[in-house]
Amino acid sequence: KAGVTQTPRYLIKTRGQQVTLSCSPISGHRSVSWYQQTPGQGLQFLFEYFSETQRNKGNFPGRFSGRQFSNSRSEMNVSTLELGDSALYLCASSLLGQGYEQYFGPGTRLTVT
Amino acid sequence: AQTVTQSQPEMSVQEAETVTLSCTYDTSESDYYLFWYKQPPSRQMILVIRQEAYKQQNATENRFSVNFQKAAKSFSLKISDSQLGDAAMYFCAYRSANSGYALNFGKGTSLLVTP
Repeated sequence: KAGVTQTPRYLIKTRGQQVTLSCSPISGHRSVSWYQQTPGQGLQFLFEYFSETQRNKGNFPGRFSGRQFSNSRSEMNVSTLELGDSALYLCASSLLGQGYEQYFGPGTRLTVT
Repeated sequence: AQTVTQSQPEMSVQEAETVTLSCTYDTSESDYYLFWYKQPPSRQMILVIRQEAYKQQNATENRFSVNFQKAAKSFSLKISDSQLGDAAMYFCAYRSANSGYALNFGKGTSLLVTP
């Protein structure tokens, strides 16, 4: 099976702009989670989607949003970018249930200038 | 909220030797899962091993094994016969239904493998 794919892999944006990141899960996986990784804060949970519904959301401002499509592909959007949004954004897919492993994509490296 | 603590920011091991990475966590739940993930310089997060809290038997995956002490809330990773390719950041993570299925990560341990 193909792994989790994320596009684009690298992105440079200017403060104030918005950005959309895409994630395609492993075939058959209906749960998609997003994480932000920074040197200072480490890995932080953004949100999780299952069957096009957001099931859980981390402690991030409303500028961070996401959605999931009927084919389980997911997008996350960050509006009004700030310098502090520069990070590696990781997407992970999983089968349903807490015991199932999350499989990660290669990430999107976002740089905000 | 559950807290995951990795007290060793960096560790070093010689090739073919054994190293143990420490992880402790804080929870009041009885049903949860613990994971070790590896993140090499490529930044691809790779699952190494997982442990169900209800299982007393420690999980093993080839050269990787864990020492799960539920009462002590400790979950250490042992890497045997270390290889150069094991060099990476290692993250301990906690997951439960009450945490909304989100992975709660520790800060990570950077493992250096020397020839």
